Amino acid sequence: EAQVTQNPRYLITVTGKKLTVTCSQNMNHEYMSWYRQDPGLGLRQIYYSMNVEVTDKGDVPEGYKVSRKEKRNFPLILESPSPNQTSLYFCASSGGSVTLSEIISTQYFGPGTRLTVL
Amino acid sequence: GQQLNQSPQSMFIQEGEDVSMNCTSSSIFNTWLWYKQEPGEGPVLLIALYKAGELTSNGRLTAQFGITRKDSFLNISASIPSDVGIYFCAGLGGSNYKLTFGKGTLLTVNP
Repeated sequence: EAQVTQNPRYLITVTGKKLTVTCSQNMNHEYMSWYRQDPGLGLRQIYYSMNVEVTDKGDVPEGYKVSRKEKRNFPLILESPSPNQTSLYFCASSGGSVTLSEIISTQYFGPGTRLTVL
Repeated sequence: GQQLNQSPQSMFIQEGEDVSMNCTSSSIFNTWLWYKQEPGEGPVLLIALYKAGELTSNGRLTAQFGITRKDSFLNISASIPSDVGIYFCAGLGGSNYKLTFGKGTLLTVNP
């Protein structure tokens, strides 16, 4: 089954304790992305990756790191989490289309990770 | 950065009614997208629009890419209870290939 998986689905942590949210896709997609969703703000892109070893900042990258060592995995790293990073996080992937616009447009979203930083 | 203004923020309708929501921007977008998000899940793409003026349907859903490339609307005809959810518009534009999302429209359908 084609899918994007995220782990953990729920996480409560404390300020300053490093954490990693994993994202994996089994569709051989080139493009992967991380978003955060906050009430009244919609989804905002944190980082994206066009392919292995190629990553770039989205709209709200501060406080986050990513890596893309393998095509299927795109972990989100919070080196020193703070309460303002409490949010619902989504990973997405896409690929297999002809144009870059179509690739980015046809993203499959994961089920989300709800993070609370105390 | 680019911003999308999505309206209305929420809608409460009776089953069978038609629904309309829209997004506007001061920036030009090359692609307009409409997503639906149900509780506890990620957004799911409903319709993608790639050309100005394009009108596309997906079942009871119809969306249009505005001629000015600065707006888009989504219509849902004959609503049913399973249409409940949050609907997001999103635009893709410029040279940075980043998606900009609207803040969403919460749709409630009363049976």
